[in-house]
Amino acid sequence: DAGVIQSPRHEVTEMGQEVTLRCKPISGHNSLFWYRQTMMRGLELLIYFNNNVPIDDSGMPEDRFSAKMPNASFSTLKIQPSEPRDSAVYFCASSGTGGRLEQYFGPGTRLTVT
Amino acid sequence: RKEVEQDPGPFNVPEGATVAFNCTYSNSASQSFFWYRQDCRKEPKLLMSVYSSGNEDGRFTAQLNRASQYISLLIRDSKLSDSATYLCVVNVGNKLTFGGGTRVLVKP
Repeated sequence: DAGVIQSPRHEVTEMGQEVTLRCKPISGHNSLFWYRQTMMRGLELLIYFNNNVPIDDSGMPEDRFSAKMPNASFSTLKIQPSEPRDSAVYFCASSGTGGRLEQYFGPGTRLTVT
Repeated sequence: RKEVEQDPGPFNVPEGATVAFNCTYSNSASQSFFWYRQDCRKEPKLLMSVYSSGNEDGRFTAQLNRASQYISLLIRDSKLSDSATYLCVVNVGNKLTFGGGTRVLVKP
């Protein structure tokens, strides 16, 4: 089975531009998580969905960040407008049902905002 | 106080030796615990789940002490390929909180 798929793997953009990150969770998983990782702050949860519904977005840094999950196999994280301090690695993870809470991570998107 | 704290290391370990390190957590309502491994510039990968007092998987042993609110990871017979950052993860509700990681360097 394919793991979590993220695209693009690398993104370089200029300050002020819109950035859209994409994620396809593992088939059959019903929870999806977006994380951001930096050297200074480590791995931070931004938002998570359960059955396509946003459950907790308290980690979203500000209104410039938004996330959607239109169906069980696709999610997007959008930053508009982007700023240099948004530079980080953004990971998507998914977890399944039946009480199994282990999360499986995608390869990440390395975002650089200049 | 951080919710999940780890010694950042690095722990320099001779190949074949045993290394152990701890992770402390602050929320007594934490329900389950995990160890993830992260290689440089890669995604975190699940190493072990810890649902009861402990778990053993080959050379890796995780122990949970709920009274003192810490989890430990022990690696026996260290291999060069064990060099990585080990992330302690604590679950409360359906949310995972990650520690900052402990870096382990296994040297020949």
